[in-house]
Amino acid sequence: ETGVTQSPTHLIKTRGQQVTLRCSSQSGHNTVSWYQQALGQGPQFIFQYYREEENGRGNFPPRFSGLQFPNYSSELNVNALELDDSALYLCASSLQRTSGRNEQFFGPGTRLTVL
Amino acid sequence: AQSVTQLGSHVSVSEGALVLLRCNYSSSVPPYLFWYVQYPNQGLQLLLKYTSAATLVKGINGFEAEFKKSETSFHLTKPSAHMSDAAEYFCAEDEASGSARQLTFGSGTQLTVLP
Repeated sequence: ETGVTQSPTHLIKTRGQQVTLRCSSQSGHNTVSWYQQALGQGPQFIFQYYREEENGRGNFPPRFSGLQFPNYSSELNVNALELDDSALYLCASSLQRTSGRNEQFFGPGTRLTVL
Repeated sequence: AQSVTQLGSHVSVSEGALVLLRCNYSSSVPPYLFWYVQYPNQGLQLLLKYTSAATLVKGINGFEAEFKKSETSFHLTKPSAHMSDAAEYFCAEDEASGSARQLTFGSGTQLTVLP
């Protein structure tokens, strides 16, 4: 069973640029969630994708957007990067998220640094 | 929105001593609660979860947590700390976000194990 994978591992961008982060969900999982973890803080929910549609979003502006593909992999896109976007971005996959009982499995994360 | 509070951003214990990491949740309905561990430069690994079955939940690596509704607490314990337990620990609560389910995390507790 393949776990959640993310790419790239690290990324350095400058203010105003755009970035795309990628995530492959665990085998058999059809739901992907993205979280932002700033240094010294707990992860914060960005959004969740199920059946290629965003079905829930946290308190993040529209310049944070995403996609989910038919194979359930996902992308997180961030436009007009700001210094505060520097963080570890975590992807998590799960079975259909209709119940809070379902565990989310996390990938190793992508460390984004904005200069 | 729910909130999760972890008391003590840093906890130090001696090897072999009891580990106690505190977590309080805010939900007024039966919650789904989780403890995750994060090792340096890694993603989150699930230690244990509470899904309204037994109030004492056993997890991996000898950790357990007790759900106390009257105190709105879900503290994590381990009878005897090991050097390999040094990591950051996050308590999280599952909640609805639109038609999605999101995890709301506490700010984390860094556990140091002293030889």
